[in-house]
Amino acid sequence: AQSVTQPDIHITVSEGASLELRCNYSYGATPYLFWYVQSPGQGLQLLLKYFSGDTLVQGIKGFEAEFKRSQSSFNLRKPSVHWSDAAEYFCAVGDQGGSEKLVFGKGTKLTVNP
Amino acid sequence: DAGVIQSPRHEVTEMGQEVTLRCKPISGHDYLFWYRQTMMRGLELLIYFNNNVPIDDSGMPEDRFSAKMPNASFSTLKIQPSEPRDSAVYFCASRSRGALHFGNGTRLTVT
Repeated sequence: AQSVTQPDIHITVSEGASLELRCNYSYGATPYLFWYVQSPGQGLQLLLKYFSGDTLVQGIKGFEAEFKRSQSSFNLRKPSVHWSDAAEYFCAVGDQGGSEKLVFGKGTKLTVNP
Repeated sequence: DAGVIQSPRHEVTEMGQEVTLRCKPISGHDYLFWYRQTMMRGLELLIYFNNNVPIDDSGMPEDRFSAKMPNASFSTLKIQPSEPRDSAVYFCASRSRGALHFGNGTRLTVT
């Protein structure tokens, strides 16, 4: 069965600093991979997705993520964090074999200090 | 595009009462998903539909939960009877191809 691990429950960074959020997945084949962001009281919004091709994926709001098959990872990065990036971030894995299910990680809460 | 619309945004009810959560997916999306989010368990898939037909309800916690999709523009999730452990945020999401689009959720509190 698919699984997703986000090792960091909570991360604090200063505004302007770089950010990397970790995501590791367990899946037997090439998965679909996603990063979502959730602001308080809101639903999840898609930041970026990987289906195939270039392993470095660009998303909205200046985020990018890199798929590394050898490490079973899909880490999210941003070179310079803005205060408005404070939110909770979820990594998710889907099945290219046909199932429509997405499995989500437990999330990483990002706090941005001024 | 109004996005996925859920109602109500908040629901407070007493144990034993029936609760109905509603969802209007994005027009043209042929998949609809119901998720539950709690601090302890994170996001859990409860059930999903394709073209209004339930495909996988293995995540529905027990028989107290039921979901329907009578047409392409409406779905309900019903809990009867409700229990305090059902307190959570329930999300509806829809998709056509690619990623899920989530509603803003219904925060359910069962006292």
